[in-house]
Amino acid sequence: QKEVEQNSGPLSVPEGAIASLNCTYSDRGSQSFFWYRQYSGKSPELIMFIYSNGDKEDGRFTAQLNKASQYVSLLIRDSQPSDSATYLCAVKRDSSYKLIFGSGTRLLVRP
Amino acid sequence: DTEVTQTPKHLVMGMTNKKSLKCEQHMGHRAMYWYKQKAKKPPELMFVYSYEKLSINESVPSRFSPECPNSSLLNLHLHALQPEDSALYLCASSQSERGQFFGPGTRLTVL
Repeated sequence: QKEVEQNSGPLSVPEGAIASLNCTYSDRGSQSFFWYRQYSGKSPELIMFIYSNGDKEDGRFTAQLNKASQYVSLLIRDSQPSDSATYLCAVKRDSSYKLIFGSGTRLLVRP
Repeated sequence: DTEVTQTPKHLVMGMTNKKSLKCEQHMGHRAMYWYKQKAKKPPELMFVYSYEKLSINESVPSRFSPECPNSSLLNLHLHALQPEDSALYLCASSQSERGQFFGPGTRLTVL
């Protein structure tokens, strides 16, 4: 079992729809959770972080965390073609510098 | 200044060459990282420096040699690389649990 699992996609949604990206993790000691967006040929960009169970909203993005189910998700509302990218989920323990990345989900937003 | 900068953007080197990658951040972050990323894969941690001391070496071959001259600078010295070392090399920095911030990367090609 991988430490952090994501569906590789591609996840294809029409413009204006809600894109839902999911991530599960195996280490119950994980305490911090991150979503990075990576455009092709570019470096990862941090778009959301969440520590507590529940939802965290920032603009069109909502991160959701359920530690009991070891599940973290990213919702993108009103998806735009410019949101087309690979989204990387990452988790870490507070006692560690190490980010454990999932393999990423490729999102395609169709005009 | 909220950027991590990296030079050069692109580097082509032969297997007998010696070259260095450079990374700089002025966010006052005390942890700095080197990652290697191959196409369609997540970033792979190589080294972590914390307060200018090497904290983590992920069993990286000795042909990669990191150096942290001061709290803002991080170098990666390359010597006798192999073609399979061709990848995007990413520098990142962090201060708190709010995540790691990546530089734009150096695209390395080893001939």
